[in-house]
Amino acid sequence: QLVLTQSPSASASLGASVKLTCTLSSGHTTYAVAWHQQQPEKGPRVLMRLNSDGSYNRGAGIPDRFSGSSSGAERYLTISSLQSEDEADYYCQTWGAGIQVFGIGTKVTVL
Amino acid sequence: QLQESGPGLVKPSETLSLTCTVSGGSISSDSWNWIRQPPGKGLEWIGYVYYTGITNYNPSLKSRVTISVDTSKVQFSLKLNSVTAADTAVYYCARGGYDLDAWGQGILVTVSS
Repeated sequence: QLVLTQSPSASASLGASVKLTCTLSSGHTTYAVAWHQQQPEKGPRVLMRLNSDGSYNRGAGIPDRFSGSSSGAERYLTISSLQSEDEADYYCQTWGAGIQVFGIGTKVTVL
Repeated sequence: QLQESGPGLVKPSETLSLTCTVSGGSISSDSWNWIRQPPGKGLEWIGYVYYTGITNYNPSLKSRVTISVDTSKVQFSLKLNSVTAADTAVYYCARGGYDLDAWGQGILVTVSS
């Protein structure tokens, strides 16, 4: 079964970096994922598509403070130089066999 | 750009009907999705329609869902029947057969008598 696992919360100080993890279930470890940001009271927006080899393509208008990387079944989203507007929920998403799957989301708090 | 429209209030046991209008591009390619988010919870994929009309649905909702596309109107639609309070959510439309690369702003639908 295709499942994405995310930690429910993360925090870091203003100006620091935070690295979020999304883990693919066994048997699906070569899948690409997309990362989406949902700011409070807003709809999601795509940040990037992240491939298994660590290459990624940011969405239109997404600053280069957002970067991605991969290792085995893990897909990472790193946010550098944290700003107050980065306080949001971050969802990873993948696809396979005609379905779409989301992780539970990680709530990022900027201290 | 994608924009959801439809009633914000639906009675229990009735059918929820929403439309997503696509502007600034063609609907005659790619896949078009519906996703929902109950208050305070995460995202749940409902299903998609390919521009040819081929569909696929979340198994947990499959018995109650119909998604269709009207390329002449540059719209696609969601119907969810026999709704209950558990179907209260913000409903989003989104584009993509792989990564979802464009989202609507969402519409809150409340199921209540």
